[in-house]
Amino acid sequence: GAVVSQHPSWVICKSGTSVKIECRSLDFQATTMFWYRQFPKQSLMLMATSNEGSKATYEQGVEKDKFLINHASLTLSTLTVTSAHPEDSSFYICSARDVGGSSYNEQFFGPGTRLTVL
Amino acid sequence: DAKTTQPNSMESNEEEPVHLPCNHSTISGTDYIHWYRQLPSQGPEYVIHGLTSNVNNRMASLAIAEDRKSSTLILHRATLRDAAVYYCILRDYNQGGKLIFGQGTELSVKP
Repeated sequence: GAVVSQHPSWVICKSGTSVKIECRSLDFQATTMFWYRQFPKQSLMLMATSNEGSKATYEQGVEKDKFLINHASLTLSTLTVTSAHPEDSSFYICSARDVGGSSYNEQFFGPGTRLTVL
Repeated sequence: DAKTTQPNSMESNEEEPVHLPCNHSTISGTDYIHWYRQLPSQGPEYVIHGLTSNVNNRMASLAIAEDRKSSTLILHRATLRDAAVYYCILRDYNQGGKLIFGQGTELSVKP
């Protein structure tokens, strides 16, 4: 299957700082990328849908000014957690949808980024 | 999004078949049934998907009820590496639907 990478795989930051997480589709183009967060022992929660060249669509209850999403190219989306606080500590996972070929219905996930805010 | 119901956990013995059930009584005609699994501290991995007919691939089989209100993911011979949380998700193909995860079934495999 297609490969989605995330960078960094883990990050520790101080409260009040901003953290950027990158999500890349390595061998396919993705007009749509998704960002999820996952707390321990819980399921994935969809935060936002990112479309290349346009503004992201946020799920209800997700603060768009706190979680900035940029999808500047067909292979890269970034999530910036601004003014991070300890309650933002979580596992952030991106996914990308292949726009063509036989894998159209598949959505590929990155390995996740573990964010710890001290 | 239509909702799915799965058991919280299941146990299996290594090298035995595993049947993971999923109920989706409110499924619509354009919803595809997707299965993903997530190993600890990793992103979800695609397993299989289907619409109406049963599906087979190298990882698993998907059996879909005739009325499409339930489905079963079948792992033919469970291995220790199959221990994961399995998610059954409905996705509306025509609307480019999002994948909304439920609680999933945590599968443990005993040697």
